[in-house]
Amino acid sequence: QKEVEQNSGPLSVPEGAIASLNCTYSDRVSQSFFWYRQYSGKSPELIMSIYSNGDKEDGRFTAQLNKASQYVSLLIRDSQPSDSATYLCAVNPYSSASKIIFGSGTRLSIRP
Amino acid sequence: SAVISQKPSRDICQRGTSLTIQCQVDSQVTMMFWYRQQPGQSLTLIATANQGSEATYESGFVIDKFPISRPNLTFSTLTVSNMSPEDSSIYLCSVAGTSAYNEQFFGPGTRLTVL
Repeated sequence: QKEVEQNSGPLSVPEGAIASLNCTYSDRVSQSFFWYRQYSGKSPELIMSIYSNGDKEDGRFTAQLNKASQYVSLLIRDSQPSDSATYLCAVNPYSSASKIIFGSGTRLSIRP
Repeated sequence: SAVISQKPSRDICQRGTSLTIQCQVDSQVTMMFWYRQQPGQSLTLIATANQGSEATYESGFVIDKFPISRPNLTFSTLTVSNMSPEDSSIYLCSVAGTSAYNEQFFGPGTRLTVL
């Protein structure tokens, strides 16, 4: 079982709709969870961090964490073509305080 | 967050040669990390570089192939030694953020092609 799993996509969403990206992780005692956005040919950019169960909102982005189900998601409201990118889920496992484990990423395409 | 730069941004090298990649940060940071991202793949951690100590390598990566230096709190280098076409990849450095939650911020990356 991979430590961090994501559907590779591509996920195609019409402009203005909600894009929903999902991620599961295997280490039950993981502490911190991150979503990175990576445009083609660019480096990953941190867009959301979440540490507690529930929802965390930042502008059009909402991260949701359910530690009991070992599940973290990212919702993007009012999707724009500029949101088209690969979204990487990352987890900081308790076993190694400094390391981050990345999922394989979900490619999101917003169609006009 | 810190401003991170990498040199070179890209290079094309011949097999059997070595390339040293530099990572410079505009503020002092305790932990720096080196990743590899092969085409179409996610990020794989190569090693963690702490100032004043030997780098800690992940399974599958060895010091002879990827020697790392960390001479001070704002700078690190990664050398890719005796390169083969399989080393063609993007190499990224990152730094740990200042919060207690271990987020990381990435440099722009070095795109390496080995012929």
